Amino acid sequence: DTGVSQDPRHKITKRGQNVTFRCDPISEHNRLYWYRQTLGQGPEFLTYFQNEAQLEKSRLLSDRFSAERPKGSFSTLEIQRTEQGDSAMYLCASRSGTDYSPLHFGNGTRLTVT
Amino acid sequence: GESVGLHLPTLSVQEGDNSIINCAYSNSASDYFIWYKQESGKGPQFIIDIRSNMDKRQGQRVTVLLNKTVKHLSLQIAATQPGDSAVYFCADSDFDNYGQNFVFGPGTRLSVLP
Repeated sequence: DTGVSQDPRHKITKRGQNVTFRCDPISEHNRLYWYRQTLGQGPEFLTYFQNEAQLEKSRLLSDRFSAERPKGSFSTLEIQRTEQGDSAMYLCASRSGTDYSPLHFGNGTRLTVT
Repeated sequence: GESVGLHLPTLSVQEGDNSIINCAYSNSASDYFIWYKQESGKGPQFIIDIRSNMDKRQGQRVTVLLNKTVKHLSLQIAATQPGDSAVYFCADSDFDNYGQNFVFGPGTRLSVLP
């Protein structure tokens, strides 16, 4: 168990560019989550996958955001036409298939939009 | 609004003393609660969890207390050490109403004084 891995750790991009982040969950976890965290705030839910199916999406996830988990293992989060307001830490978490199991987080991708 | 919040945004304690971090939640149907520790530049790290059918759970140097009557959750850290300095978040889940989402509070910063 190597934990949840996220890549890249940091991303600086210019406004209007597209960015893509990758998350590799804990291998035996079938549930994968994306959260966004801004400075001084707690993580905010973006979306959730069970295996390859995207089952829940937050209203925070505008049409510029898309997430995939094509084979039920790693996931990608893409932001198109980035805006300065997208600057945040993007956290991925995974958990096992039982209801009362905690989220295990990666160390996040810090996005800065200039 | 979010269901989980914290009474105190910052807490300073002397090394060796016990720390108590509090959390209030508003959803009486929440049935699973988790405490996380987040150090600078890292993702939230799982500390301890508790289900609503319990009122106390102990881990290594940590104890979580749940008072469902007043919808209050606390994290007690015994013999606080410099390595405990971090931001602490509580999170709750209510699988009937939140789906698989976990809702986080804004966090409390714990500073351990030498």
